[in-house]
Amino acid sequence: AQSVTQPDIHITVSEGASLELRCNYSYGATPYLFWYVQSPGQGLQLLLKYFSGDTLVQGIKGFEAEFKRSQSSFNLRKPSVHWSDAAEYFCAVGAGSSNTGKLIFGQGTTLQVKP
Amino acid sequence: DADVTQTPRNRITKTGKRIMLECSQTKGHDRMYWYRQDPGLGLRLIYYSFDVKDINKGEISDGYSVSRQAQAKFSLSLESAIPNQTALYFCATSDLGSQTGANVLTFGAGSRLTVL
Repeated sequence: AQSVTQPDIHITVSEGASLELRCNYSYGATPYLFWYVQSPGQGLQLLLKYFSGDTLVQGIKGFEAEFKRSQSSFNLRKPSVHWSDAAEYFCAVGAGSSNTGKLIFGQGTTLQVKP
Repeated sequence: DADVTQTPRNRITKTGKRIMLECSQTKGHDRMYWYRQDPGLGLRLIYYSFDVKDINKGEISDGYSVSRQAQAKFSLSLESAIPNQTALYFCATSDLGSQTGANVLTFGAGSRLTVL
């Protein structure tokens, strides 16, 4: 069965520092992978997605993620964090033999940004 | 107006009461979903619907039912609410993407339900 693990429940970084949020997945075939962000009181917003092709994916708000099949990982990165990036981040994998929109979500990582 | 609207945004109810959470969308998507979010557990799929006549159980459907009244409307019901159904509920929609067949979810703002 598909699963997603986000090893870090909570991360604190200083504003302007670089960021990497980890995501590991378990899936037998080529996965469809997503990163979503949830700001307080808001729904989830798609940051980026990987379906196929180039393993380095660019998203909105300056985020990028790299798909590494050998490590079953899809880590999210940002070179310089802004205070407005404080939020909860979810990694997700598309379930089923083809992406039907059913997603398996990780537990989430809460990002705190220090001034 | 939001593409995916959920009502109510907040609700407090008592054990045993029937509760309905409503979702409407203006994106014209065929597919709609109900997810539940609990701290430390991420989001889990309750029910999903690929069109008005196609409704399917998700990972955690026990204690819930749904109704797809129209393409744009998908309601989640708790027939007899219990405290462990206290959670944040999200409605989402998607449309079949081109070429890859993969699709992307658009989420509502969430409905926070507290069952006392």
